[in-house]
Parts: sequence; structure tokens; C-alpha cells
Amino acid sequence: GQQLNQSPQSMFIQEGEDVSMNCTSSSIFNTWLWYKQDPGEGPVLLIALYKAGELTSNGRLTAQFGITRKDSFLNISASIPSDVGIYFCAGPHGSGAGSYQLTFGKGTKLSVIP
Amino acid sequence: GAVVSQHPSWVICKSGTSVKIECRSLDFQATTMFWYRQFPKQSLMLMATSNEGSKATYEQGVEKDKFLINHASLTLSTLTVTSAHPEDSSFYICSARVRGRSSYNSPLHFGNGTRLTVT
Repeated sequence: GQQLNQSPQSMFIQEGEDVSMNCTSSSIFNTWLWYKQDPGEGPVLLIALYKAGELTSNGRLTAQFGITRKDSFLNISASIPSDVGIYFCAGPHGSGAGSYQLTFGKGTKLSVIP
Repeated sequence: GAVVSQHPSWVICKSGTSVKIECRSLDFQATTMFWYRQFPKQSLMLMATSNEGSKATYEQGVEKDKFLINHASLTLSTLTVTSAHPEDSSFYICSARVRGRSSYNSPLHFGNGTRLTVT
């Protein structure tokens, strides 16, 4: 099946620092999604990317859809304590309207030191 | 918008009993809902795809007779864990997509998950 390789697995950063994480795949994806999951909760969509080369921002978050359609990165600028959580990349697979499924990366656990 | 509500948020049950988890789309209709399972410190693994008015599609290795899915309406899907065992203890999360939107332009929205503990 399709796999998404996410790195780094975890990172500890100082409050105020910028963060960068990425996701790669051996397969082409037509959409890249970035989610954040807080402990004990479901994932929350941060950014959705639909076109190769697309660069999209959501507040302090910026994500890009790689030109090859096999990778994506997520940047967080000026990190704050509430950025703590696990960040997942995800891409859809399957065919037919209404039936696509998501494959998730293994996640990047972010810890912010105040 | 696009709120998915899951109930209960946590449940403890005895081994051998059955547990039902509900997933509702509160402000939209969802012809398709997905059920995921997440073990501690691991990623989300798709268990099954729930289609309104038809049988669910299960991923390889997921027992359909153990994890019963019923998608009876456009806003409700249920997952019943039958004859639960301690190894079924996990975090179960449902997700849904807004009805009518094309596959690749409509991200999934997730519920807050259900923590199941089987003793």
C-alpha cells in the first residue's frame, strides 16, 4: 500500500523558534493534507494542498505541495506553547467520487520549551 | 462548519461485552464516513469505510463480524465492537466528508475520538 514517510519523528524546540517538518512518498498524491492532533482528541485539519507547487498559509503555518507531487513540508513560525502536539501529513488514495481514503504519516511530535 | 461529533468520548467495558460508538455529522450530510483506530504513539489506521445505505468496506485484517458498522442515515454511523477483548482497547476515531463534494477537494473532518478500555 501507499506509505507516507514523515520526519522528524519528534522535535524539541524553544518557544519562538521556527519549525519545519516534511513528508515524502514513493507514490504521487493529488492532495496533501496536514493535521494536528492534541492528546486524547481527533485530528484537526490545518492546511489542505491541491496543486503541485502550491504554497498555502494559515496564520503562522505554511505548507507547500512539492512539484513532484511526492512530498510536502509544513513550517511553523515563531512557535508558541500551544503548538505542542502531533502533526500528521495525509494523502488520499482510492478511486470513485465519495470513496477515497486517507493514508497518514506516522506523525511528528512537537514539544515546545517555554 | 463541518463538525463531527463522536460519542462516547471514553468507555470502559468488561471483556466479552459489546460497545457501540456513534459518529454524527452535525451540520452537514455525509454519504461516506471512515473509522480509524489509533494505538498509543502510533498513527491512525483505517479500519473501514462506511457508506450510507450499503455495507461497509473493511480494510484487510479487520474482522467485519467483530467491528459492526451501520451507516443508517446521512448524519450517523455507528461502530459496534462485539465481544470486546483487552487487545481491542484503543482510540477509535471517525471521520466524514461533506456530501456532494468531489473526492480530492474535500478534506476529511474528524470526530474527537473514543477511548475504549476493555478490562
